[in-house]
Amino acid sequence: AQSVTQLGSHVSVSEGALVLLRCNYSSSVPPYLFWYVQYPNQGLQLLLKYTTGATLVKGINGFEAEFKKSETSFHLTKPSAHMSDAAEYFCAVTSTGTASKLTFGTGTRLQVTL
Amino acid sequence: EAGVAQSPRYKIIEKRQSVAFWCNPISGHATLYWYQQILGQGPKLLIQFQNNGVVDDSQLPKDRFSAERLKGVDSTLKIQPAKLEDSAVYLCASSLGVKVYEQYFGPGTRLTVT
Repeated sequence: AQSVTQLGSHVSVSEGALVLLRCNYSSSVPPYLFWYVQYPNQGLQLLLKYTTGATLVKGINGFEAEFKKSETSFHLTKPSAHMSDAAEYFCAVTSTGTASKLTFGTGTRLQVTL
Repeated sequence: EAGVAQSPRYKIIEKRQSVAFWCNPISGHATLYWYQQILGQGPKLLIQFQNNGVVDDSQLPKDRFSAERLKGVDSTLKIQPAKLEDSAVYLCASSLGVKVYEQYFGPGTRLTVT
């Protein structure tokens, strides 16, 4: 079975500050990992994904994440927060053995203040 | 390219009534997913179709939920009879195939059961 834990249901940062959203996963097979963003009253939009290869993955809107197998983590970062980054962020995991079935974390709501 | 379309966007019904949601995936996408997102939680997969066949419906409450994907394109998710705990956002997503892991999400249908 696969699972995802997102530490911190709410994170607040100042505009221009570093954004760090934490994600830890559990998987018995090599995982594929994703970060999605959800703006109010909208569906989920893919920010970035890790499948194989380079462990540092760059996504849209200046976000990046690093896959660390030893720590079973896939934390999302952005060097400088912008007001438009305020949204809900979901980490998700799947694997080659699950026919692309995504298991999502409970989400982290990012608040950006002036 | 048009995204995943869903309708209606909002629906309010009384318990024990029935309701249906419609989804039109991205053209050419063989795999279609229905997720349930309860407030404060991550999306949970209800059912996955590959063309017009069911790949995974292990978390679909089959005593009240049903889904179909006739002709391998559009899909309908039905709840009959609805319960208060069915209040949630129902998200439809599609991908090129079961071995292609990038899923594209629609805006969702927000269901309120009173």
